Amino acid sequence: DVKVTQSSRYLVKRTGEKVFLECVQDMDHENMFWYRQDPGLGLRLIYFSYDVKMKEKGDIPEGYSVSREKKERFSLILESASTNQTSMYLCASLNREFEVDGYTFGSGTRLTVV
Amino acid sequence: TQLLEQSPQFLSIQEGENLTVYCNSSSVFSSLQWYRQEPGEGPVLLVTVVTGGEVKKLKRLTFQFGDARKDSSLHITAAQPGDTGLYLCAGLLAGGTSYGKLTFGQGTILTVHP
Repeated sequence: DVKVTQSSRYLVKRTGEKVFLECVQDMDHENMFWYRQDPGLGLRLIYFSYDVKMKEKGDIPEGYSVSREKKERFSLILESASTNQTSMYLCASLNREFEVDGYTFGSGTRLTVV
Repeated sequence: TQLLEQSPQFLSIQEGENLTVYCNSSSVFSSLQWYRQEPGEGPVLLVTVVTGGEVKKLKRLTFQFGDARKDSSLHITAAQPGDTGLYLCAGLLAGGTSYGKLTFGQGTILTVHP
Protein backbone atom coordinates (compact mmCIF):
# COMPACT_ATOMS: atom_id res chain seq x y z
CA ASP A 1 0.00 0.00 0.00
CA VAL A 2 1.14 3.50 -0.80
CA LYS A 3 1.75 5.47 2.30
CA VAL A 4 1.77 9.22 2.72
CA THR A 5 3.05 10.29 6.09
CA GLN A 6 2.64 13.74 7.56
CA SER A 7 5.08 14.43 10.35
CA SER A 8 2.66 15.94 12.88
CA ARG A 9 -1.02 15.31 13.58
CA TYR A 10 -1.43 18.45 15.71
CA LEU A 11 0.62 21.63 15.88
CA VAL A 12 0.18 24.83 17.86
CA LYS A 13 2.29 27.79 16.75
CA ARG A 14 2.46 31.47 17.59
CA THR A 15 1.68 34.29 15.19
CA GLY A 16 4.77 35.26 13.24
CA GLU A 17 6.56 31.92 13.61
CA LYS A 18 7.97 30.10 10.60
CA VAL A 19 6.25 26.73 10.35
CA PHE A 20 7.34 23.63 8.46
CA LEU A 21 4.89 20.87 7.57
CA GLU A 22 6.55 17.73 6.26
CA CYS A 23 5.11 15.08 3.98
CA VAL A 24 6.80 11.87 2.84
CA GLN A 25 5.50 9.26 0.37
CA ASP A 26 7.02 5.85 -0.14
CA MET A 27 5.96 4.85 -3.67
CA ASP A 28 8.06 6.97 -6.00
CA HIS A 29 5.11 9.15 -7.04
CA GLU A 30 6.00 12.15 -9.16
CA ASN A 31 3.13 14.46 -8.27
CA MET A 32 2.55 15.75 -4.78
CA PHE A 33 0.04 18.28 -3.46
CA TRP A 34 -0.70 20.41 -0.44
CA TYR A 35 -4.32 21.27 0.35
CA ARG A 36 -5.94 23.02 3.23
CA GLN A 37 -9.36 21.91 4.44
CA ASP A 38 -11.81 24.27 6.09
CA PRO A 39 -15.46 23.61 7.01
CA GLY A 40 -17.83 24.59 4.23
CA LEU A 41 -14.99 25.24 1.78
CA GLY A 42 -13.81 21.72 1.01
CA LEU A 43 -10.18 21.26 0.02
CA ARG A 44 -8.32 24.14 -1.57
CA LEU A 45 -5.02 23.65 -3.36
CA ILE A 46 -2.07 25.60 -1.99
CA TYR A 47 0.86 24.28 -4.06
CA PHE A 48 1.76 21.22 -6.04
CA SER A 49 4.92 19.67 -7.43
CA TYR A 50 5.33 17.45 -10.48
CA ASP A 51 9.03 16.69 -10.06
CA VAL A 52 11.99 17.34 -7.81
CA LYS A 53 12.60 21.07 -7.47
CA MET A 54 9.55 21.79 -9.63
CA LYS A 55 6.57 23.51 -8.10
CA GLU A 56 3.49 25.40 -9.14
CA LYS A 57 1.09 27.64 -7.29
CA GLY A 58 -2.36 26.38 -6.59
CA ASP A 59 -5.44 28.46 -5.87
CA ILE A 60 -4.39 29.96 -2.52
CA PRO A 61 -0.56 30.20 -2.39
CA GLU A 62 -0.32 33.52 -0.53
CA GLY A 63 1.60 33.21 2.72
CA TYR A 64 2.97 29.78 1.83
CA SER A 65 5.99 28.33 0.06
CA VAL A 66 7.10 24.77 -0.65
CA SER A 67 10.24 22.74 -1.06
CA ARG A 68 10.86 19.51 -2.91
CA GLU A 69 14.52 18.58 -2.75
CA LYS A 70 13.89 14.83 -2.94
CA LYS A 71 11.18 12.97 -4.80
CA GLU A 72 9.65 11.43 -1.69
CA ARG A 73 9.46 14.59 0.41
CA PHE A 74 7.30 17.67 -0.09
CA SER A 75 7.40 20.38 2.55
CA LEU A 76 4.96 23.22 3.12
CA ILE A 77 6.35 26.35 4.73
CA LEU A 78 4.36 29.10 6.39
CA GLU A 79 6.79 32.00 6.25
CA SER A 80 5.13 33.98 9.05
CA ALA A 81 2.17 32.17 10.54
CA SER A 82 -1.06 34.08 10.99
CA THR A 83 -4.30 33.15 12.73
CA ASN A 84 -6.13 32.84 9.40
CA GLN A 85 -3.82 29.96 8.56
CA THR A 86 -5.36 27.88 11.34
CA SER A 87 -6.66 24.90 9.40
CA MET A 88 -6.32 21.21 8.56
CA TYR A 89 -3.50 20.65 6.09
CA LEU A 90 -3.57 17.60 3.84
CA CYS A 91 -0.74 16.27 1.72
CA ALA A 92 -1.44 13.95 -1.21
CA SER A 93 0.54 12.08 -3.81
CA LEU A 94 -0.52 10.75 -7.17
CA ASN A 95 0.69 8.03 -9.49
CA ARG A 96 0.04 7.64 -13.19
CA GLU A 97 -2.91 5.30 -12.59
CA PHE A 98 -4.96 8.32 -11.60
CA GLU A 99 -8.35 6.91 -12.53
CA VAL A 100 -7.79 3.69 -10.61
CA ASP A 101 -6.00 4.95 -7.52
CA GLY A 102 -6.77 8.65 -7.28
CA TYR A 103 -4.92 10.63 -4.70
CA THR A 104 -3.37 9.01 -1.67
CA PHE A 105 -3.74 11.37 1.24
CA GLY A 106 -1.88 11.65 4.49
CA SER A 107 -3.84 11.77 7.74
CA GLY A 108 -3.54 15.53 7.94
CA THR A 109 -1.94 18.08 10.24
CA ARG A 110 -4.27 20.22 12.29
CA LEU A 111 -2.48 23.53 12.74
CA THR A 112 -3.59 26.13 15.25
CA VAL A 113 -1.97 29.56 15.15
CA VAL A 114 -2.44 31.58 18.33
CA THR B 1 -17.49 31.09 -5.85
CA GLN B 2 -16.96 27.37 -5.76
CA LEU B 3 -16.20 25.69 -9.07
CA LEU B 4 -17.87 22.51 -7.87
CA GLU B 5 -21.04 23.04 -5.87
CA GLN B 6 -21.88 20.13 -3.64
CA SER B 7 -25.23 19.72 -1.91
CA PRO B 8 -26.48 19.27 0.66
CA GLN B 9 -23.72 20.27 3.05
CA PHE B 10 -25.27 18.30 5.92
CA LEU B 11 -27.43 15.20 5.88
CA SER B 12 -28.78 13.49 8.98
CA ILE B 13 -30.88 10.39 8.36
CA GLN B 14 -32.05 7.18 9.98
CA GLU B 15 -30.61 3.78 9.20
CA GLY B 16 -32.33 2.22 6.21
CA GLU B 17 -33.17 5.48 4.42
CA ASN B 18 -31.95 6.37 0.94
CA LEU B 19 -30.08 9.55 0.11
CA THR B 20 -28.53 11.42 -2.81
CA VAL B 21 -25.64 13.88 -2.82
CA TYR B 22 -25.20 16.20 -5.78
CA CYS B 23 -22.14 17.80 -7.32
CA ASN B 24 -22.72 20.51 -9.94
CA SER B 25 -20.61 22.82 -12.05
CA SER B 26 -20.78 25.04 -15.12
CA SER B 27 -17.39 23.64 -16.17
CA VAL B 28 -16.69 20.41 -18.02
CA PHE B 29 -14.58 17.78 -16.30
CA SER B 30 -12.55 15.04 -17.97
CA SER B 31 -13.18 12.86 -14.95
CA LEU B 32 -14.79 13.11 -11.56
CA GLN B 33 -13.98 11.31 -8.36
CA TRP B 34 -15.79 10.71 -5.09
CA TYR B 35 -13.88 10.42 -1.82
CA ARG B 36 -14.96 9.53 1.70
CA GLN B 37 -13.22 10.94 4.75
CA GLU B 38 -13.51 9.78 8.33
CA PRO B 39 -12.55 11.94 11.32
CA GLY B 40 -8.80 12.17 11.83
CA GLU B 41 -7.99 10.64 8.47
CA GLY B 42 -7.38 11.79 4.93
CA PRO B 43 -9.97 11.24 2.17
CA VAL B 44 -10.05 7.82 0.51
CA LEU B 45 -11.07 7.30 -3.11
CA LEU B 46 -14.42 5.57 -3.67
CA VAL B 47 -14.80 5.79 -7.44
CA THR B 48 -13.76 7.56 -10.64
CA VAL B 49 -16.23 8.29 -13.45
CA VAL B 50 -14.89 9.27 -16.83
CA THR B 51 -17.54 8.93 -19.53
CA GLY B 52 -20.58 11.20 -19.79
CA GLY B 53 -23.67 9.29 -18.65
CA GLU B 54 -21.57 6.66 -16.88
CA VAL B 55 -23.07 4.85 -13.90
CA LYS B 56 -20.94 2.89 -11.44
CA LYS B 57 -22.08 0.82 -8.49
CA LEU B 58 -20.16 0.00 -5.37
CA LYS B 59 -22.38 -2.25 -3.24
CA ARG B 60 -25.13 0.13 -1.97
CA LEU B 61 -23.52 3.20 -3.53
CA THR B 62 -24.41 4.32 -7.07
CA PHE B 63 -22.41 7.03 -8.81
CA GLN B 64 -23.50 8.83 -11.94
CA PHE B 65 -21.65 11.23 -14.23
CA GLY B 66 -23.83 13.68 -16.15
CA ASP B 67 -24.11 13.41 -19.92
CA ALA B 68 -22.35 16.75 -20.36
CA ARG B 69 -19.69 15.85 -17.75
CA LYS B 70 -20.58 18.90 -15.65
CA ASP B 71 -22.32 17.17 -12.77
CA SER B 72 -22.37 13.98 -10.75
CA SER B 73 -24.44 12.32 -8.06
CA LEU B 74 -23.89 9.78 -5.32
CA HIS B 75 -26.89 7.72 -4.23
CA ILE B 76 -26.80 5.49 -1.16
CA THR B 77 -29.48 2.84 -0.72
CA ALA B 78 -30.48 1.66 2.75
CA ALA B 79 -27.89 3.76 4.56
CA GLN B 80 -26.08 2.23 7.51
CA PRO B 81 -24.27 3.87 10.46
CA GLY B 82 -21.00 2.77 8.90
CA ASP B 83 -21.71 5.12 5.98
CA THR B 84 -21.30 8.10 8.30
CA GLY B 85 -18.54 10.43 7.14
CA LEU B 86 -17.61 13.34 4.91
CA TYR B 87 -18.20 12.77 1.21
CA LEU B 88 -16.24 14.84 -1.28
CA CYS B 89 -16.57 15.14 -5.02
CA ALA B 90 -13.51 16.21 -6.97
CA GLY B 91 -13.03 16.85 -10.66
CA LEU B 92 -10.23 17.06 -13.15
CA LEU B 93 -10.94 20.00 -15.45
CA ALA B 94 -11.08 19.17 -19.15
CA GLY B 95 -8.31 20.58 -21.33
CA GLY B 96 -4.90 21.93 -20.43
CA THR B 97 -2.10 20.46 -18.39
CA SER B 98 -3.29 19.81 -14.92
CA TYR B 99 -0.76 17.36 -13.49
CA GLY B 100 -3.70 15.66 -11.87
CA LYS B 101 -4.75 18.82 -10.08
CA LEU B 102 -8.22 18.17 -8.62
CA THR B 103 -10.92 20.72 -7.85
CA PHE B 104 -12.95 19.74 -4.79
CA GLY B 105 -16.54 20.43 -3.77
CA GLN B 106 -17.34 21.72 -0.28
CA GLY B 107 -18.21 18.26 1.01
CA THR B 108 -21.31 16.64 2.51
CA ILE B 109 -21.30 15.54 6.13
CA LEU B 110 -23.50 12.46 6.37
CA THR B 111 -24.71 11.14 9.72
CA VAL B 112 -26.67 7.90 9.78
CA HIS B 113 -28.43 7.23 13.08
CA PRO B 114 -29.07 3.63 14.21
